[in-house]
Amino acid sequence: GAVVSQHPSWVICKSGTSVKIECRSLDFQATTMFWYRQFPKQSLMLMATSNEGSKATYEQGVEKDKFLINHASLTLSTLTVTSAHPEDSSFYICSVSDIRAGDETQYFGPGTRLLVL
Amino acid sequence: EDQVTQSPEALRLQEGESSSLNCSYTVSGLRGLFWYRQDPGKGPEFLFTLYSAGEEKEKERLKATLTKKESFLHITAPKPEDSATYLCAAANSGYSTLTFGKGTMLLVSP
Repeated sequence: GAVVSQHPSWVICKSGTSVKIECRSLDFQATTMFWYRQFPKQSLMLMATSNEGSKATYEQGVEKDKFLINHASLTLSTLTVTSAHPEDSSFYICSVSDIRAGDETQYFGPGTRLLVL
Repeated sequence: EDQVTQSPEALRLQEGESSSLNCSYTVSGLRGLFWYRQDPGKGPEFLFTLYSAGEEKEKERLKATLTKKESFLHITAPKPEDSATYLCAAANSGYSTLTFGKGTMLLVSP
């Protein structure tokens, strides 16, 4: 399977600041990348899907102007949380897949824990 | 609407005590059924993909099976290091996204 990294692994920021999280596919051509958030003791909630070179598709209820996603290459996607507030504190996880190869399998990164004070 | 339901929510086993986790799904045209393992504070780790009813896959002490309505993750002679949350997810025929279940938290005691 694919090896996926995320940076940073954890971040603490003040309310009102913006935070950028990187997701890199180290050995895999990720035609599609996904961003999830996970609250304690809950399952993964899909935030958005992005295809390389295209605009992201956001799930219902996810503010596209608050969670900016860029998928500029087959190996890198970024999630920027703009004007973060305490309620944005969560565990953010990216995943990658190669839909063009006909494989729906998603390979996940290690996650980024965000704490907004 | 696609649905994936996992049971039980939590399971406590003694080391060596085999058991099964259940994943029931209602999906339009299943394209794949996925099992992941998630340790606390980490991203999910891919275990298996199953594509059609009757398919089985094995990895060490784990064996995943698939029917037209559900999937089972059988754990044979578990060890404490098998303790984790096991997630099941399904992909339908129309979309590239996965529908996740809420997971089964497994605790194996020595």
